[in-house]
Amino acid sequence: AQTVTQSQPEMSVQEAETVTLSCTYDTSESDYYLFWYKQPPSRQMILVIRQEAYKQQNATENRFSVNFQKAAKSFSLKISDSQLGDAAMYFCACCQGGSEKLVFGKGMKLTVNP
Amino acid sequence: GAGVSQSPRYKVAKRGQDVALRCDPISGHVSLFWYQQALGQGPEFLTYFQNEAQLDKSGLPSDRFFAERPEGSVSTLKIQRTQQEDSAVYLCASSLATAEPGGEQYFGPGTRLTVT
Repeated sequence: AQTVTQSQPEMSVQEAETVTLSCTYDTSESDYYLFWYKQPPSRQMILVIRQEAYKQQNATENRFSVNFQKAAKSFSLKISDSQLGDAAMYFCACCQGGSEKLVFGKGMKLTVNP
Repeated sequence: GAGVSQSPRYKVAKRGQDVALRCDPISGHVSLFWYQQALGQGPEFLTYFQNEAQLDKSGLPSDRFFAERPEGSVSTLKIQRTQQEDSAVYLCASSLATAEPGGEQYFGPGTRLTVT
């Protein structure tokens, strides 16, 4: 069975600083995708960034980047120049490969302090 | 509409009642997913459709849960004889699916079900 673990339930960061959210996963798939989703308070979940497991290059989307360590099954999210609008629950998810369904971690609440 | 919509947004049911939750996916999206999100937890997969075919229902917690998508667009998740442990937010998501592997799932706002 696929599992996703987010060990930090909450984090806080000062505005304009950098924060890293950790995630580990386990899967028997050889080809899969990893995702970070953001769920703002009372708003819909939206995709932040996606990583294809067969690609060695880490994905980057503007201020968001990942550190993907396939052998260690680690997939952390780095948010640079944090903004107040980044405050949300962040969910790590895996693994579309043979199956379309996603397995989510428990989430991490990020607070951004002005 | 531009995004995934769900109705009702909030539902209160007495234990033992049946409920029906509706999902309108993004037009043209082939795949549709239902997830259950308990308070303070991440979403958990319930079931998945590709067009009208239900390809995976392994996450449905009991035979009281039933989902359908008869014409390959709108989907309904039905819960019979609701129990308190069914209280959760039910999320619907859709994706193009066949457009590319590992495609983005677009989520609706969810239906918050409270069973009293």
